[in-house]
Amino acid sequence: DAKTTQPPSMDCAEGRAANLPCNHSTISGNEYVYWYRQIHSQGPQYIIHGLKNNETNEMASLIITEDRKSSTLILPHATLRDTAVYYCIVRVAAQGAQKLVFGQGTRLTINP
Amino acid sequence: EAGVTQFPSHSVIEKGQTVTLRCDPISGHDNLYWYRRVMGKEIKFLLHFVKESKQDESGMPNNRFLAERTGGTYSTLKVQPAELEDSGVYFCASSQDQRTGFRDTQYFGPGTRLTVL
Repeated sequence: DAKTTQPPSMDCAEGRAANLPCNHSTISGNEYVYWYRQIHSQGPQYIIHGLKNNETNEMASLIITEDRKSSTLILPHATLRDTAVYYCIVRVAAQGAQKLVFGQGTRLTINP
Repeated sequence: EAGVTQFPSHSVIEKGQTVTLRCDPISGHDNLYWYRRVMGKEIKFLLHFVKESKQDESGMPNNRFLAERTGGTYSTLKVQPAELEDSGVYFCASSQDQRTGFRDTQYFGPGTRLTVL
């Protein structure tokens, strides 16, 4: 079972920042938070991941609360192409424990 | 750099037939994973190879599914005989190695859509 909770759907206006929340209240100290997205019927696309510090890359920013029980993925300037299902995944970073457990994700719709 | 590729993109077969899906991981990636999404359900893990060895096959649904990765390069997933409930999208992913950080990030292929009639 997925160890995260996400809202089933969200809307955001084009050009605005999209903030996608994720709860992972049972996260352990050796577990990372990963974000993937799936655009239409394509394969899941890696976005970003982090352990406890905030992270930023060319796609998004990841803000993890100090207690690590929740996080927020931020798409700073959403475009129509960002419409997708976004998955927040908690994953143990240890040899042998490599699989990703997908939940239902958040269906993000970017509106013009 | 080429990403993960999968073949075929679509396959339509009749119940009882055999189908073989192929996955070519990113060059140099030791880890290869298979996942699938059946209609209306979440993406589920099937199995994980480290080079040519099966590291974790806990997600394989039954013995009608056989995965191989001879030589530690590409992998095949054979379904024999196919049943109606096997319909879905089969994804392959690869990661560089098992050290934490970016090296174990999984990158997915476009998937193979399998329809069993």
